[in-house]
Amino acid sequence: EPEVTQTPSHQVTQMGQEVILRCVPISNHLYFYWYRQILGQKVEFLVSFYNNEISEKSEIFDDQFSVERPDGSNFTLKIRSTKLEDSAMYFCAGQIRGNEQFFGPGTRLTVL
Amino acid sequence: AQSVTQPDIHITVSEGASLELRCNYSYGATPYLFWYVQSPGQGLQLLLKYFSGDTLVQGIKGFEAEFKRSQSSFNLRKPSVHWSDAAEYFCAVVGDSSYKLIFGSGTRLLVRP
Repeated sequence: EPEVTQTPSHQVTQMGQEVILRCVPISNHLYFYWYRQILGQKVEFLVSFYNNEISEKSEIFDDQFSVERPDGSNFTLKIRSTKLEDSAMYFCAGQIRGNEQFFGPGTRLTVL
Repeated sequence: AQSVTQPDIHITVSEGASLELRCNYSYGATPYLFWYVQSPGQGLQLLLKYFSGDTLVQGIKGFEAEFKRSQSSFNLRKPSVHWSDAAEYFCAVVGDSSYKLIFGSGTRLLVRP
């Protein structure tokens, strides 16, 4: 059964550094999402992506964040200059229109 | 704006006992509702979903949930809990033109042997 994959599983970075989190969604999915979960808190929506553009973004998704799907398979989340408060678990999800979202296993980002 | 409330932060049950996890949502029309489970350090696995039709939905691992419009609730149930069910459970709603999920704060289930 196809599944969503994410790399790396754990990323440690210094404050102010750029990080790129990668996701490979299931091939027939059309809508893509990034969510984050700060330790001990609930899962929060960051951004949705459809037809090669952002369809919605949350207040969290400020100018430090960007997403792209450069080659039709990978879906990336870039944080330009990481802050301590960016430390969280980041989940990618994919969806066929109107159906449930399939989540990847997540990337744990630790900003020192 | 849509919201989801899970009033129980922690629940402890004995193995073999029944379980009910509460979820209340806020949305004017009929929502799309989901329950996800997260084991420690793992991703989110879909247990079940409600889009329309029969208000009692069956999911994986023996879980079921009932949509009650009058109470704005979508409670998760299991008749007999297994030790492997210990995890964090999240209720979520998709309510508007965007398909983004809005999650509740989660309920951590502990299972006593």
